[in-house]
Amino acid sequence: QKEVEQDPGPLSVPEGAIVSLNCTYSNSAFQYFMWYRQYSRKGPELLMYTYSSGNKEDGRFTAQVDKSSKYISLFIRDSQPSDSATYLCAMSGASNFGNEKLTFGTGTRLTIIP
Amino acid sequence: SAVISQKPSRDICQRGTSLTIQCQVDSQVTMMFWYRQQPGQSLTLIATANQGSEATYESGFVIDKFPISRPNLTFSTLTVSNMSPEDSSIYLCSHSAYSYNEQFFGPGTRLTVL
Repeated sequence: QKEVEQDPGPLSVPEGAIVSLNCTYSNSAFQYFMWYRQYSRKGPELLMYTYSSGNKEDGRFTAQVDKSSKYISLFIRDSQPSDSATYLCAMSGASNFGNEKLTFGTGTRLTIIP
Repeated sequence: SAVISQKPSRDICQRGTSLTIQCQVDSQVTMMFWYRQQPGQSLTLIATANQGSEATYESGFVIDKFPISRPNLTFSTLTVSNMSPEDSSIYLCSHSAYSYNEQFFGPGTRLTVL
């Protein structure tokens, strides 16, 4: 079993829809949760960074972490064609415990249809 | 965050040869990382490169195959040695100010080995 599971998609939604992207994980030591956006032929771009459980909002993006269920989500409101990209979740444990390196999901390929 | 550039952006190489990938950051950073991204797979950390010390390699990656240099706080190189078609992948460098979290990635080097 992989430490981080992410549905690879592809996921296609119409412009303006709410997008929900998710990852599950098995390592209870994970405390830091990130979402990266990767456009075709580009490097990943850090989109959201969350520590522990709860919600974090930044413009049209909301990141949710539910540590009890080992489940994280990224919501995109009012989706735009420019949001079309691959979205990767990543997570890590606390420093000084030897598990601070990032573990990535495989990425979900998202297409917003105009 | 500091801007990262990589050279070359892509290359096609023959089996048995070696390729050195350069990673340049426009300001001093403490930690630099090298990843491999294979199609349909998650980003895999190859090694962590801190200035002034030997690179730390992850399980499955060895210095003889992937020698790394970190001569100063703005530059690092990764060499892929004695290449085989299985080394065909995207190689990414990233940096972080203080920890493994909040990493910022370069654009990647797309390597094809024939």
